[in-house]
Amino acid sequence: DGGITQSPKYLFRKEGQNVTLSCEQNLNHDAMYWYRQDPGQGLRLIYYSQIVNDFQKGDIAEGYSVSREKKESFPLTVTSAQKNPTAFYLCASRKVEGTTHNEQFFGPGTRLTVL
Amino acid sequence: AQSVTQPDIHITVSEGASLELRCNYSYGATPYLFWYVQSPGQGLQLLLKYFSGDTLVQGIKGFEAEFKRSQSSFNLRKPSVHWSDAAEYFCAVVLTDSWGKFQFGAGTQVVVTP
Repeated sequence: DGGITQSPKYLFRKEGQNVTLSCEQNLNHDAMYWYRQDPGQGLRLIYYSQIVNDFQKGDIAEGYSVSREKKESFPLTVTSAQKNPTAFYLCASRKVEGTTHNEQFFGPGTRLTVL
Repeated sequence: AQSVTQPDIHITVSEGASLELRCNYSYGATPYLFWYVQSPGQGLQLLLKYFSGDTLVQGIKGFEAEFKRSQSSFNLRKPSVHWSDAAEYFCAVVLTDSWGKFQFGAGTQVVVTP
């Protein structure tokens, strides 16, 4: 089955540590996105990428980094510079070619807790 | 600036009753609008989308939405709610010239009572 996988589902981190969240898709989508979700705030865009080896900052990129070395993979690193990293993180992908009204497909999410 | 507003943070509805979730958008041209649903601790699932044509859009799980340009609205409806419809619902719009970036509303939490 085609889809998006995120791992791990739950992640615990000590303050001062970097941690990397995995996102893999086998939908052959060019575009991938990372969102942060906090209660009552909806989804906020962290980073997005339209093609391999290229990515752009979203609305809340400070304290995060990404890479896009393969079309299928878009890992997110939460660095120690992120002051309040405890949140639910969602990865999404989207077909670029065709029309601009293509929807985004979402993974199941990773809940990160800083201890 | 393009934006999406969901005026209701929380809605409680009885099982079997009808449900309507409001979504208002701010957009210069014809928007591409989406409704997603999220169960607790899960990712988002697309319910339906509007991009042109018939203003009444049918989606999955018995949901429908109506695009009203005059009211800048894209409200989601379901005639008879089931307990499994308890979830959070998000309205979203594709931003123009944005490489497919979406703007999401803050979400509406739906609670279904027996």
